[in-house]
Parts: sequence; C-alpha cells; structure tokens
Amino acid sequence: AQKVTQAQTEISVVEKEDVTLDCVYETRDTTYYLFWYKQPPSGELVFLIRRNSFDEQNEISGRYSWNFQKSTSSFNFTITASQVVDSAVYFCALSEENYSGAGSYQLTFGKGTKLSVIP
Amino acid sequence: NAGVTQTPKFQVLKTGQSMTLQCAQDMNHEYMSWYRQDPGMGLRLIHYSVGAGITDQGEVPNGYNVSRSTTEDFPLRLLSAAPSQTSVYFCASSRGQGPRELFFGEGSRLTVL
Repeated sequence: AQKVTQAQTEISVVEKEDVTLDCVYETRDTTYYLFWYKQPPSGELVFLIRRNSFDEQNEISGRYSWNFQKSTSSFNFTITASQVVDSAVYFCALSEENYSGAGSYQLTFGKGTKLSVIP
Repeated sequence: NAGVTQTPKFQVLKTGQSMTLQCAQDMNHEYMSWYRQDPGMGLRLIHYSVGAGITDQGEVPNGYNVSRSTTEDFPLRLLSAAPSQTSVYFCASSRGQGPRELFFGEGSRLTVL
C-alpha cells in the first residue's frame, strides 16, 4: 500500500527565510508519481509539481525547488526567501501507476504541513 | 473556463437525511474523483472514476455512492448522513490516463447534526 508522511505539522518562519517541507513516501512499485499541492487560506487546492519515479533530477521554479531522492524515499520542497503569500497548507501526494489498462490510479495525500510566514 | 464546479458550497443536514453533492467539469477529463478533507487527516479518496460507466472505491468509500453516466458529471450521494460525514468535500478531475495534475473544485462544506 502507498503511504505519504509529512512529519512537520506546522512550521513558522520569518519572511525572507528559507524553509524546507519534508515528504517521505512508501511504495512497492517501481513506477510511481509524486506531487505537491498548495492550499492557501482561501481553501482551493493548487497543483505545484508532478515528478515520476524515473526522473531524479531536482527541479527549480522561481523561489520553489524540489529535491527527489529515491535512496531515502523523500521528495522535499524548499521555498527560498519566503513571502507572506507562501502561507498555506502544503500537501505531498503519491500515486502508483496501475497497469490494468483502465487508466486507474489512486492519489494518496499526506496530512499536510501548515506553513506560516510572519512579516 | 468554469473548470470543476461543485454544488452546493455549504450544506447542513440532519442525521439520516440523504443528499447529493454535484460535480461537473467542462474540460472533457476522463478521470474524476471525490476527496474528503478533515482536520489533521489531509485529503482522503472516497471514490473515483476513469470514464463514463466506470467507478471504483478509494480509501474511505463507506456511506457514499457514486455513478458516472456522462463524462462531465460525477455526483456523490450520501444515502443516510451521519455526523462522521461532517467534512469538506472536494471533487477533482484530470485528463488522460495515469496520474496527472488534478484540477480541484472549490469544495463543499457539509455539516451533519
């Protein structure tokens, strides 16, 4: 069974500090996909990134970067020079790829990390 | 672009009542799903569908029914509401086969008294 653990329940940082959100996953499949979603105080869920298990290259998008390490089953998310607008709950998620041919899959979310950026 | 539309946004029910949460998407996405979000629990998958006429159970399906008669619509039915079903419900859709970016609705907050 697939599982995602986000050990940090809440994090507070002062604006302009860097912050890393941890994500550890468990899966028995060799092919799987990892995601990060953001949920700001307004409540909507916003897709940030998708990474498949065969691509271990780190990714950077502006102030956001992701570190994927299969050896430690981790997919950590770093925000550089945090801003107040980064305050949100961040979810890491995992899906194993189902080869049944029906395109079926289940996306499992971690419990989320609430990030508060203090001005 | 409407994207994923959920109705109602808020609902209060009494224990034992039934209701349907509506979800519609206009992106011609094959995959649709329902999640519930509870404090400290993250999002948990209730049911999902990979196309019209095909549905399957997720992690927490008990107490909920779904059907998928068209590509656009994926309603979630509570046949006999219980206080444990008090939650925020999200509908989501994605294109193609395999795990891809999910597009979420704005959520429906349900309270069961």
